Formats: sequence, C-alpha cells, structure tokens
Amino acid sequence: DIQMTQSPSSLSASVGDRVTITCRASQNINIYLNWYQQKPGKAPKLLIYTSSSLQSGVPSRFSGRGSGTDFTLSISSLQPEDFATYFCQQSFSTPDTFGGGTKVDIK
Amino acid sequence: QAQLQESGPGLVTPSQTLSLTCSLSGASISSGSFYWNWIRQSAGKGLEWIGRIHTTGNTNYNPSLKSRATVSIDTSKNHFSLRLTSVTATDTAVYYCARGLEWFDHWGQGTLVTVSS
Repeated sequence: DIQMTQSPSSLSASVGDRVTITCRASQNINIYLNWYQQKPGKAPKLLIYTSSSLQSGVPSRFSGRGSGTDFTLSISSLQPEDFATYFCQQSFSTPDTFGGGTKVDIK
Repeated sequence: QAQLQESGPGLVTPSQTLSLTCSLSGASISSGSFYWNWIRQSAGKGLEWIGRIHTTGNTNYNPSLKSRATVSIDTSKNHFSLRLTSVTATDTAVYYCARGLEWFDHWGQGTLVTVSS
C-alpha cells in the first residue's frame, strides 16, 4: 500500500494567516492526490482533486499543488470557518489511502 | 443534488456480521458511470477505504480486510450495501458511504458502529 504522511499533524493559526499543509507519498503517485476538510461530527468534504483542481463551490483561497511524491494544500487567508482537520488521499493505486490528518486550530 | 444516507445497527456482537446500507436520494444510482464506496474512520486507524462497486457490479476491495468485506448494489432500491464478516473490536468505527472513483465528492453523514458483547 502507498503510505501518505502529512505534516504537521496540528498547527495553530490566526484569522487572516496563510497556512500550508504538506502531504508526502511513499512512492510516485503522479497527480492523483486529493484534499478533504473535516469538521467535528461531519463527513469529510472534498476541496481539491488531482492535486490542484478546485472542487465546485470551494472558495478560491484554497489551492493545491504538487506531483510525484510531494504535495501541498494552502489556504491564502484563513477564515473562521476553516478551522478543521484536513486530509490528503491518493487514488493512484488501489487501495486508496489517506494521510493521518492535520488539525488547524485557533491560535 | 445527490444525497447519501447510511443505515444499519449501531451495535454488533464480536464474530458476527456487520451489515450497512447506503441509500441514494436525488439521483439514480444507475445513472452516470459512478463508483459507490464504503470508507470507515476510527481513532486507531484514521480514514480507511474499504471497497467500491460500479453499477455494472464490478468491485474492488482493500486487501487489509482479508476478504471479509462484500459490497453489493440494488439498483431497484437505489441503494448499495456493505457486509463485513467476523467482526472484532478493531472494526469499531464511523462508517461512511461515498461516491467516486478517483476522488470522493459526495459522502453520507456517517454511522457509528460499535463491536461489543
């Protein structure tokens, strides 16, 4: 299985900050990397697919980039509703695997 | 707008079979060329993809479940299902159904299943 490693596992930030989360794959996954946001008690919500494509309805402050093994999710100006946990997921090969998550909380 | 909803027992006895159903509303499960998935989330293992089925009946599974999982689809009832046999406490998790192949764009709200005697 392809292992997905996210860093950091948690971070504290303020409204208006730029935030960057990293996801590293244990082998080359091309651009088959997706990002999700999850709030407590809710299902994950798709933000970004195939590394950099913004899902319909997701604010443009979210962006993704990367290919191969290294990927990033950035939030250009953190908003109160962005405090949540973020997960990456690879779909290059079965089984699909997820990163361990990055919790973004209020500084 | 397609909506997914999981249903099934919240408590399962060890060694028994976990059975869940995911009902689709607002769309036909047989329209389009979608895959329908089961994913679970536990404190110990994080998010774990279990398996998927296409409307043609084609399935894929996570080998980690050692053939205990079966995903089926009933287009007449507009739902798909998960059976997980020989459950243990490590199968305790929130179980989600979701739509997609390369990414998951629609999710159910999730249902907590506890394995305990």
